[in-house]
Amino acid sequence: KNEVEQSPQNLTAQEGEFITINCSYSVGISALHWLQQHPGGGIVSLFMLSSGKKKHGRLIATINIQEKHSSLHITASHPRDSAVYICAAGYNTDKLIFGTGTRLQVFP
Amino acid sequence: DAGITQSPRHKVTETGTPVTLRCHQTENHRYMYWYRQDPGHGLRLIHYSYGVKDTDKGEVSDGYSVSRSKTEDFLLTLESATSSQTSVYFCAIMGTSNTEAFFGQGTRLTVV
Repeated sequence: KNEVEQSPQNLTAQEGEFITINCSYSVGISALHWLQQHPGGGIVSLFMLSSGKKKHGRLIATINIQEKHSSLHITASHPRDSAVYICAAGYNTDKLIFGTGTRLQVFP
Repeated sequence: DAGITQSPRHKVTETGTPVTLRCHQTENHRYMYWYRQDPGHGLRLIHYSYGVKDTDKGEVSDGYSVSRSKTEDFLLTLESATSSQTSVYFCAIMGTSNTEAFFGQGTRLTVV
């Protein structure tokens, strides 16, 4: 069964801290997606990656295919980063399998 | 931003009534999806479409039907709404398998 697990489920941080959110998946994938959802808001795609690392501003996503693991890092966190971060695994089908999300709160 | 809109954004309906949610895209993407989001669960796939008139069931399809008569529109119908269908519904689109996914703003449906 294809599964996606995220950790931690909840995360609090002080402004400026370095944050890491982890995602593990059960079998080989063709792509891993990181999404962001602000409270009461829509879902925005942050990254899609199949190998290596991608960076956008203060956000960095990495993936280790051999270990079936991906991480999302936020450098110099800010209260506006407070959101739910969701990873989703794309297998060789046309569907995504979603993790349950990590709720991040960054305090000033 | 990708052109994808959902309507309505909020709806309250009574148990047993039919409800239709609409997803409209202007990206000409092949794949369209309907998900529901509930506390404690990840996004769960209800139905999806891989082309006009081509649809398939997801993991939580019971009580839902879909139609796609045009590339740009994907309709989700609750034939007879139940309280267990109270949820936030998201539509998503992808151009091809495993390309970036774009999501609508969501529809909050309450069945009373």
